[in-house]
Amino acid sequence: ELKVEQNPLFLSMQEGKNYTIYCNYSTTSDRLYWYRQDPGKSLESLFVLLSNGAVKQEGRLMASLDTKARLSTLHITAAVHDLSATYFCAVVPLTVNDMRFGAGTRLTVKP
Amino acid sequence: NAGVTQTPKFQVLKTGQSMTLQCAQDMNHEYMSWYRQDPGMGLRLIHYSVGAGITDQGEVPNGYNVSRSTTEDFPLRLLSAAPSQTSVYFCASSRTGGSNQPQHFGDGTRLSIL
Repeated sequence: ELKVEQNPLFLSMQEGKNYTIYCNYSTTSDRLYWYRQDPGKSLESLFVLLSNGAVKQEGRLMASLDTKARLSTLHITAAVHDLSATYFCAVVPLTVNDMRFGAGTRLTVKP
Repeated sequence: NAGVTQTPKFQVLKTGQSMTLQCAQDMNHEYMSWYRQDPGMGLRLIHYSVGAGITDQGEVPNGYNVSRSTTEDFPLRLLSAAPSQTSVYFCASSRTGGSNQPQHFGDGTRLSIL
């Protein structure tokens, strides 16, 4: 059974600090997605990672994918309050169209 | 451009009642899906469709039915509501099931079963 594990599940950061969120998955996949969700809101797409070694950056967020290790990371650089949200990774296995989400990482950035 | 539209936004049901959650998209996407979101569990796939007339089960399909008679619409039916179905339901769509594009999500339906 496909499992997607994120850690940490809760993260409280000071503004200006760096941190990394990890996403491990248990099956072969060539598509990994990162989404952001603000409280009470829908999900917003952040990154789509499609190959081993893929790296994408947008502002203070950078995502990478290692398909051999079945690991993706979301790195936060010099955090600001506006980044406070819940971040989800999601994986689509090679053989089915069944997208599986991690439990999410609730990020709080404090001044 | 409306994107993915879900109705209603909020609903309260009594145990045993049935209802249909509506989902429509105006992007001519082939792939549509339904998720439920429960605290601490992320989103879990209920059913999905890769095109009109084609549906398949996801991770948690029991107690739910779907149909896809048009490309635009993908309703989710609760046959006999149970308190365990209290959740936030999201509909999503993407160009194709094998698309490298991310899914677009609706605003969600918050459903409470008493």
